[in-house]
Amino acid sequence: AQTVTQSQPEMSVQEAETVTLSCTYDTSESDYYLFWYKQPPSRQMILVIRQEAYKQQNATENRFSVNFQKAAKSFSLKISDSQLGDAAMYFCAYGGGATNKLIFGTGTLLAVQP
Amino acid sequence: SQTIHQWPATLVQPVGSPLSLECTVEGTSNPNLYWYRQAAGRGLQLLFYSVGIGQISSEVPQNLSASRPQDRQFILSSKKLLLSDSGFYLCAYRQGKSYEQYFGPGTRLTVT
Repeated sequence: AQTVTQSQPEMSVQEAETVTLSCTYDTSESDYYLFWYKQPPSRQMILVIRQEAYKQQNATENRFSVNFQKAAKSFSLKISDSQLGDAAMYFCAYGGGATNKLIFGTGTLLAVQP
Repeated sequence: SQTIHQWPATLVQPVGSPLSLECTVEGTSNPNLYWYRQAAGRGLQLLFYSVGIGQISSEVPQNLSASRPQDRQFILSSKKLLLSDSGFYLCAYRQGKSYEQYFGPGTRLTVT
């Protein structure tokens, strides 16, 4: 069965600095997708970035980028030039194979210090 | 463009009362639909998902049920609420072959 692990329950970063959130996963599938979701205090889940496993190039969305290491089954999120609005819970998620479901990690709570 | 709605936004209900939460999606057809629950400061728990009208898969046996009476409507129900049903309920949809899900604004349920 697929699993997603986020080993950092909480992280903190200074405004304008860079922070990296870690995520590892386990799967026997060769074709799959990985996602990072942001959940701000409003609690609505927002898709931040997606990575398709067959693409070697790391996905980037403005200040958000990923470091996708397929062999190591690692999928970290880098937030550059952190802003106060980046403070949120971040969830890593896996989707792939015949399942209709996403497998979520337990989340990392990111605090941004002014 | 697609949008997803949930209502009500907040709800306070006594123990033993019924529940009906509604989720609707606009701008798409035949989506997969999902109900999640989230306790405060915790992760997401998938409750139900549906791949079509009248097709419901239950992930966790409990006091809740789901129905999909129309293609873009997903309803979460309970006949008698328990204190443990309190939480934040999120509806999501998935379109086509892509795996990403898009979430509604959520409903905050407090059972007293």
